[in-house]
Amino acid sequence: EAGVTQFPSHSVIEKGQTVTLRCDPISGHDNLYWYRRVMGKEIKFLLHFVKESKQDESGMPNNRFLAERTGGTYSTLKVQPAELEDSGVYFCASSPIAGLNTDTQYFGPGTRLTVL
Amino acid sequence: EDQVTQSPEALRLQEGESSSLNCSYTVSGLRGLFWYRQDPGKGPEFLFTLYSAGEEKEKERLKATLTKKESFLHITAPKPEDSATYLCAVLPFSGGYNKLIFGAGTRLAVHP
Repeated sequence: EAGVTQFPSHSVIEKGQTVTLRCDPISGHDNLYWYRRVMGKEIKFLLHFVKESKQDESGMPNNRFLAERTGGTYSTLKVQPAELEDSGVYFCASSPIAGLNTDTQYFGPGTRLTVL
Repeated sequence: EDQVTQSPEALRLQEGESSSLNCSYTVSGLRGLFWYRQDPGKGPEFLFTLYSAGEEKEKERLKATLTKKESFLHITAPKPEDSATYLCAVLPFSGGYNKLIFGAGTRLAVHP
């Protein structure tokens, strides 16, 4: 079974530019999460989708961040315009909505974002 | 406020030297506690879920235990391939939301 995949693995952009990160969850997982770790800090929650609906977006830092999950499959996280403090590693995770291990979140490899 | 504190920040062991990592948590209600392993440049890899005080889970050289205030990850006779950052996270009871709260991690280095 394929795990969570994220694209790109690394992105370097200049301040003010736009970047879009993509996450493909494990097939059949209706829960999709975004987290990020900025330098020297712990991993922090950004938001949670259940299928195509935003269940919890309490961790989104500001309105420069826009997450979508059209059709309830893959998700994108857009940062526009990017600021220096947005640099960090963005992780996506997914979990099933029913059956075994519904609480366990499985993480992707992350996208390292560098804003210059 | 829900909080997770891991100690030590870093740990250096000789191969075969057993030790324990600590995860202390403060949460209004604990739905589950998770241990992950993270290798450099990779995402967190799930190890264990613990739900109630007294519960224990084992996998190879690792054993996780849970009390009402903390969890321990015991590493028995570690090998160099156990070197990684070990992350602890809690999932609070919060009305159906699934927000994991992570600790800062313990960086483990096992030397031959």
